[in-house]
Parts: sequence; structure tokens; C-alpha cells
Amino acid sequence: GQQVMQIPQYQHVQEGEDFTTYCNSSTTLSNIQWYKQRPGGHPVFLIQLVKSGEVKKQKRLTFQFGEAKKNSSLHITATQTTDVGTYFCAGGAPRGNDYKLSFGAGTTVTVRA
Amino acid sequence: DTGVSQDPRHKITKRGQNVTFRCDPISEHNRLYWYRQTLGQGPEFLTYFQNEAQLEKSRLLSDRFSAERPKGSFSTLEIQRTEQGDSAMYLCASSLNGLAGGRETQYFGPGTRLLVL
Repeated sequence: GQQVMQIPQYQHVQEGEDFTTYCNSSTTLSNIQWYKQRPGGHPVFLIQLVKSGEVKKQKRLTFQFGEAKKNSSLHITATQTTDVGTYFCAGGAPRGNDYKLSFGAGTTVTVRA
Repeated sequence: DTGVSQDPRHKITKRGQNVTFRCDPISEHNRLYWYRQTLGQGPEFLTYFQNEAQLEKSRLLSDRFSAERPKGSFSTLEIQRTEQGDSAMYLCASSLNGLAGGRETQYFGPGTRLLVL
């Protein structure tokens, strides 16, 4: 079955620094979605990428979908304490009748002031 | 608040007992999902409904688990004869007009945290 891997599992960042988290799928995806889960909270949708090579930005967050639609990245610039949480990528399967999302294990981000 | 709601938020039970969780999706959403999340992992798909029809069940969903969505609105997830390994966060999500390939946005509820002693 489809597997989605994320690295790193943990990211400890100095406030103001940049970092990137990566997501890789064992199979080609129809789309990739990113969610953020704050400590004690539930996953909250951030963005969806559908097209090969697509890049989308949300303020300090830049999301990219690979050309082969098997990998994705999230880059955060000038990290702030509000960025603390776990970032999950979730891949949609390319089969027409498959509506499931396969989530990665997440990258847990902590920020030191 | 018109988001996805789940009840209860926390449940502690003894091994062997039955538990039932409820999910109320966003009102106009026709698709409803159940996930399980354990510490340090992402949500794992359990099952989903389109209106009242249960369309797919994961292999993770043993015979002790059953889910219903009788009127196409709220859903219940029941676990019979709970085991310690069932301890997890059970998340519900809903979406509107599900697109193939998982392209619709899923909105998650706050989850029910289950602890089986």
C-alpha cells in the first residue's frame, strides 16, 4: 500500500532561523496536503498541492510538490514561536475511486527563543 | 461553532468494556472519516462514509470495531471488548463533495482520547 515518510521526525529551531521538512511517498500521488497540529490539538488543514512542480506560499511558509508527484517539502523562514507544532503531509492516491489520505508520521517542531 | 465536534473528548475504560464515540460533522458535509492517531504518529485511516453508506474499512478496523452513520449526519464508532492496544486518539473528519484521489479538504474534529486500563 501507499506509504508516506517524513523527515526529520523532530526539528529544534532557533527563533528567526529557517528550516525545511520533507515528505516522500512510495507511490505517485494525485495531490499532497499539509496539516499542522498544535500540542494537544487536532490537525488543521494548511494547503493542498495538485500539479507537478507546484509551489505555493503562505506568508513565511513555502510548499513544493515534486515533479514526479512523489515528494513534497515545507520550508519555513524566520521561525517564530507560533510555528511550534507537528506538521503532517498527507498524500492522496491516484486511483479514481480512492478517497483516502495517507498521512506521514509528522515533523515535530520546537522553537527556542 | 460550526466545526466538527466529537464527544466525549476523553474516555477512560477498563479492558473488556465497550465504548462508543460520537462525531457530528460540519452540517452540509456528505463525507465523514474516522482516523486513529497514536503518540508520535500521523492519523491512520479507519473508515469513511459517503452520506449513510460506509464505503471502505481499513484492515486496522478489527471485528471489534463498528461504525455507523444512520441518517447521513452524525456518526458513531463503537469498540467492543476494548484492549490496551486500543488506547489512542480517535479523530473524525468531514468533507464536502469528495473528490477522487483524496483531493477534498478534510476538516478534523478535536478527537476523543481513549485510555484503556
